[in-house]
Amino acid sequence: GENVEQHPSTLSVQEGDSAVIKCTYSDSASNYFPWYKQELGKRPQLIIDIRSNVGEKKDQRIAVTLNKTAKHFSLHITETQPEDSAVYFCAASLIKAAGNKLTFGGGTRVLVKP
Amino acid sequence: DSGVTQTPKHLITATGQRVTLRCSPRSGDLSVYWYQQSLDQGLQFLIQYYNGEERAKGNILERFSAQQFPDLHSELNLSSLELGDSALYFCASSVGRTGGEQYFGPGTRLTVT
Repeated sequence: GENVEQHPSTLSVQEGDSAVIKCTYSDSASNYFPWYKQELGKRPQLIIDIRSNVGEKKDQRIAVTLNKTAKHFSLHITETQPEDSAVYFCAASLIKAAGNKLTFGGGTRVLVKP
Repeated sequence: DSGVTQTPKHLITATGQRVTLRCSPRSGDLSVYWYQQSLDQGLQFLIQYYNGEERAKGNILERFSAQQFPDLHSELNLSSLELGDSALYFCASSVGRTGGEQYFGPGTRLTVT
């Protein structure tokens, strides 16, 4: 089955700096890659996603890049703010007629220092 | 607020017992997914239902079962509970069978003592 590795496990950045989180996946057939943000005690929230036919996607201060050949994808947060502090999870799945099963990475705890 | 609701919010029970967790998907969503989040295992997919039918299965124990009812709400049944079953259980929903964007509910925190 699919296996997703996420690095780093913790990331501390100064407010205003950029943060980058990287994930690798094992199943070359995977075609959907979402990123979720989870604040302490709360539900995971979808912040951005990318499909395998796209190399990059941007939404304001957040961008995701996908390298299908190397089987890795990354989340970039620019101009970080204290409210960006949370745990971020990447995930991968193969969307197919039978269903959709997300495999998550282990998470990255991001701390933005004011 | 994602529009996905889960009850109860917290559940404390003893080993060997059985519990039922409930999830109502967002209006219009036909797929429901169940995930388990624990400190040592991270976020793990358990099972997906689409319009009442099981569609995908993950690392769901035989002691666990789920179903989706005609009104599209879903229930996750956990039996013969063990200490290791203590975790956050999330339900998510999406519009179609093949998912894509999944929206998570607030979760049910299960503590087995």
